[in-house]
Amino acid sequence: DQQVKQNSPSLSVQEGRISILNCDYTNSMFDYFLWYKKYPAEGPTFLISISSIKDKNEDGRFTVFLNKSAKHLSLHIVPSQPGDSAVYFCAASEQGGSEKLVFGKGTKLTVNP
Amino acid sequence: DSGVTQTPKHLITATGQRVTLRCSPRSGDLSVYWYQQSLDQGLQFLIHYYNGEERAKGNILERFSAQQFPDLHSELNLSSLELGDSALYFCASSVGVGPSYTFGSGTRLTVV
Repeated sequence: DQQVKQNSPSLSVQEGRISILNCDYTNSMFDYFLWYKKYPAEGPTFLISISSIKDKNEDGRFTVFLNKSAKHLSLHIVPSQPGDSAVYFCAASEQGGSEKLVFGKGTKLTVNP
Repeated sequence: DSGVTQTPKHLITATGQRVTLRCSPRSGDLSVYWYQQSLDQGLQFLIHYYNGEERAKGNILERFSAQQFPDLHSELNLSSLELGDSALYFCASSVGVGPSYTFGSGTRLTVV
């Protein structure tokens, strides 16, 4: 049973446009959500996170939105740059600051010049 | 360089064999986590150690074991290897207890 789902395996956008990556979860105990970015031959790199007490968190070109009622979060990248091309993983953890992260399968983003 | 060092980067071994994967956390980090990424899968949590003690276990097979040493480096031991154990194994570290941590670049294990 997959508790964190990224239903789009891939996404392609033009440089300068907005990239929107989506993530759905089923476990209502999740209260902290993270996005990681992964380049080939490297480990995942933390990008941005959001607590369930918020519905939006922004860091430069990256914004994460959380809709708890829909159990849905999204990552917006504006404007998209070719260097953003990578695999993006959504991850979640349960209440109490659990150290265990549950990851989605990832979405491969390609930003075309 | 994330500061988390994993060795070896690549490992090819035969079914039935035993291997040891090594992880050195970032300086100052007390927690070490191990994750497995099989083909086209998300990362699966295996185990977490904090300052030498096991803190949490995920869906780790009985054939797998891990430990964290006094110098805080960690080893993941995989025995009686099967073809399905072929995967990327990531180690991550954090100062305290998660959930935001720093990953190493992984060890790619191929069982033939």
